[in-house]
Amino acid sequence: GAVVSQHPSWVICKSGTSVKIECRSLDFQATTMFWYRQFPKQSLMLMATSNEGSKATYEQGVEKDKFLINHASLTLSTLTVTSAHPEDSSFYICSARAFPGDRPNEQFFGPGTRLTVL
Amino acid sequence: AQSVTQLDSHVSVSEGTPVLLRCNYSSSYSPSLFWYVQHPNKGLQLLLKYTSAATLVKGINGFEAEFKKSETSFHLTKPSAHMSDAAEYFCVVSENAGNMLTFGGGTRLMVKP
Repeated sequence: GAVVSQHPSWVICKSGTSVKIECRSLDFQATTMFWYRQFPKQSLMLMATSNEGSKATYEQGVEKDKFLINHASLTLSTLTVTSAHPEDSSFYICSARAFPGDRPNEQFFGPGTRLTVL
Repeated sequence: AQSVTQLDSHVSVSEGTPVLLRCNYSSSYSPSLFWYVQHPNKGLQLLLKYTSAATLVKGINGFEAEFKKSETSFHLTKPSAHMSDAAEYFCVVSENAGNMLTFGGGTRLMVKP
């Protein structure tokens, strides 16, 4: 149980285009989903936290107009990188947290999406 | 505020020898602590977690960690390394029941044959 998927797993796009990454909780409902970014050989940095049905909360330094997050249902959150540039190339990882009371201290991570912007 | 420091960016061991990955944390409250493993180009897999129960926590694949409040440490150990253990390991702290995770810088474990 507690499986999180991401799609696509790998995407290459041209500079200036927009890319949408999906994060799904497959066998549980996620009240909260998180988006992280990981540069090569570095740790994960939290980008934003999204709660179902409300606006995402972005970490300091993360452009909310560039990284659009939508959490329209309890099993799906999307991250759209708008007008992508080569410096947006990174490994994007989502995680999901289940309803309170169901393994409340744990986030379940997706397999990640590698974005390469040419 | 919470923070976590992984004391070694790289650790190299021979297959069959013990593994020690060090982690120190800082937290204003009683934290939850986690160790995750990440294989190349893969997502994160939870190895074990501490959430104020037993201080010695056993995880998957023979790993365990001991929470030492007096030392603010949560070191990860394994008695005998296997080649498949080669990966990146992250120590993670959370103060508010998993709603915000703070990651350490990671330790790359290399296992020599």
